Amino acid sequence: NAGVTQTPKFQVLKTGQSMTLQCAQDMNHEYMSWYRQDPGMGLRLIHYSVGAGITDQGEVPNGYNVSRSTTEDFPLRLLSAAPSQTSVYFCASSYGIGGATGANVLTFGAGSRLTVL
Amino acid sequence: AKTTQPISMDSYEGQEVNITCSHNNIATNDYITWYQQFPSQGPRFIIQGYKTKVTNEVASLFIPADRKSSTLSLPRVSLSDTAVYYCLVGANTGFQKLVFGTGTRLLVSP
Repeated sequence: NAGVTQTPKFQVLKTGQSMTLQCAQDMNHEYMSWYRQDPGMGLRLIHYSVGAGITDQGEVPNGYNVSRSTTEDFPLRLLSAAPSQTSVYFCASSYGIGGATGANVLTFGAGSRLTVL
Repeated sequence: AKTTQPISMDSYEGQEVNITCSHNNIATNDYITWYQQFPSQGPRFIIQGYKTKVTNEVASLFIPADRKSSTLSLPRVSLSDTAVYYCLVGANTGFQKLVFGTGTRLLVSP
C-alpha cells in the first residue's frame, strides 16, 4: 500500500515550458486534489476531483489543467510555466461520501518541488 | 468554512500546548479536522471531531457547544512536535472544496 505517490520530486523548467505533475493513489479514494505551497505560506487549493470524470476549480486554478480519467490518477498540467508557479505542489486524496473515514481526512503525497526560471 | 488561527506559538518541552482555531461560519454538516506538517513534508492527519471532545494517542480536540471554535491540545510536547498545525473545516461528504487556513507555526524549545 503506497498511499499517494507524486512524481517527479524535483523539476526545473524554463518560462513557457509545459509539464505534467503525476499523482497516483492506491487506496480507492474518490476525492483527489492538488495544492500549492509557496515558501513560508499555507496550502492553496488548485483543482479537485470528486470522482473519475469530475473535476472543479479551487482557489488558484489559473495556469493549470487537470483531468481524472481513472480513480487512481489525477495529473496536474502546467500549460506554459511562469516564475510565479515556482512552488511545492502537494497531491491529496480521501474517501468521498460513504467512505470509512470522512472526505476531510486527507492523505498527502510527499510533494513535488517545481522551480521555473 | 473560513478559519483563523494564531500565526505562531512558542512552547517548551514537557508543556501542554493549546492551539485554537476560529470558524464562526461553520455549517451544521461541517467537521473539524487538524493536520500537522513538518518542513519538506506533506501534512498528515492528527484528529477530527464534530462536537464536544475527541482524544486519540496523539492529541485531544475540544469543541464547544456553539462549534464556532476548536482547540487542539498537545500534551507534554517534545522538540519533535515543532511543526505547522492546520485546522480544516468542511463537510465530510467529499463534494466541496477543502480550503486550508494559514496554519499555526509551533516552535518547541528545550
